[in-house]
Amino acid sequence: DVKVTQSSRYLVKRTGEKVFLECVQDMDHENMFWYRQDPGLGLRLIYFSYDVKMKEKGDIPEGYSVSREKKERFSLILESASTNQTSMYLCASSFTLPWMNEQFFGPGTRLTVL
Amino acid sequence: SQQGEEDPQALSIQEGENATMNCSYKTSINNLQWYRQNSGRGLVHLILIRSNEREKHSGRLRVTLDTSKKSSSLLITASRAADTASYFCATDNSGYSTLTFGKGTMLLVSP
Repeated sequence: DVKVTQSSRYLVKRTGEKVFLECVQDMDHENMFWYRQDPGLGLRLIYFSYDVKMKEKGDIPEGYSVSREKKERFSLILESASTNQTSMYLCASSFTLPWMNEQFFGPGTRLTVL
Repeated sequence: SQQGEEDPQALSIQEGENATMNCSYKTSINNLQWYRQNSGRGLVHLILIRSNEREKHSGRLRVTLDTSKKSSSLLITASRAADTASYFCATDNSGYSTLTFGKGTMLLVSP
């Protein structure tokens, strides 16, 4: 079974803190993704990576950065957390081939910024 | 940007009934995928249908794709209480395997 794990299920941080969310996959997938999910807004892509050390902005990259130093690990960084970054954060990974690029998701991290 | 739009937003049925959810999208796609999300959890992939396919089955799931109408439907037959979840369609229309998700249909199956 594909496993995508995220470092925390729940996280509470203060405004201005630096926050690291980590994601690890064990399927040798090329692609990794970070989404945030908010009621009424659905899933929105923050950043994705199609190879080690490569990153591409998604739809809402402002206020976030990412790091992919190893193929299996993709980190999302909130440089200075703000209350509007309170959300559910979902990591996913996939292969690239268009007939088998279904995404496998982690369990999510519910982040609260006070 | 949102491409897939599911309809209805919410659906409530009894166990044993069939549930049908629809998805419309705007631009050409490589494939369309359906996912399920149980409350507060990550998404689980259900089925992928390629742009040159019209229908696909997986267990109690049946997905159709009409590229001329830019729409897809997900049918769950003989629904169970355990099918209660949110269902999302997602379209692959990029060269990077990124997916654009709709806002989902919340399905409630009552015993």
